[in-house]
Amino acid sequence: GAGVSQSPSNKVTEKGKDVELRCDPISGHTALYWYRQRLGQGLEFLIYFQGNSAPDKSGLPSDRFSAERTGESVSTLTIQRTQQEDSAVYLCASSFRASTEAFFGQGTRLTVV
Amino acid sequence: AQSVTQLGSHVSVSEGALVLLRCNYSSSVPPYLFWYVQYPNQGLQLLLKYTSAATLVKGINGFEAEFKKSETSFHLTKPSAHMSDAAEYFCAVTADRGSTLGRLYFGRGTQLTVWP
Repeated sequence: GAGVSQSPSNKVTEKGKDVELRCDPISGHTALYWYRQRLGQGLEFLIYFQGNSAPDKSGLPSDRFSAERTGESVSTLTIQRTQQEDSAVYLCASSFRASTEAFFGQGTRLTVV
Repeated sequence: AQSVTQLGSHVSVSEGALVLLRCNYSSSVPPYLFWYVQYPNQGLQLLLKYTSAATLVKGINGFEAEFKKSETSFHLTKPSAHMSDAAEYFCAVTADRGSTLGRLYFGRGTQLTVWP
């Protein structure tokens, strides 16, 4: 595809349910990021994948959050037992390789009710 | 590791006035630096980047930034603000080696308001 694609664009879920957010990076991009952006706030780093290296998970806020990436393609961010404070826009970005500019998707707006 | 500090979470200017958004970085190795813009309800879009070529970098929409190693700064400027420049701006840094695998580090963002 032409850009980073995220799905769904909007997700409303009940507190306590699990959700999966999907990111399709630009083809050939080895690096992939997940960020969280709460309303009116900046970017909160969650996780970074780079090639076959172990991912940098230092930003995951709790063990309810996990992410996987299959090779250099699709990534899934999973939030278990969602809480209201998980409500935010989740942004995915990819870059051709490490240390190059990242291209962002439009985000998934998650609302936990 | 690298880090970025954006001074001023909110900046307000009049239409036609100079825009100056400040960014200072910390890096133990020569950095690569970026400015991104985020319009309401959209993802981030690259404005410009510095990757060790010319220190004055020109980007889209009339923005430019100057890399100053002695000041560890990469401030974003535009001579004349337009209403359409109202957005959130993020500065980011990375480096080409080190244990961080080239991860991008973002500042907290600066919200630019342009008054008519």
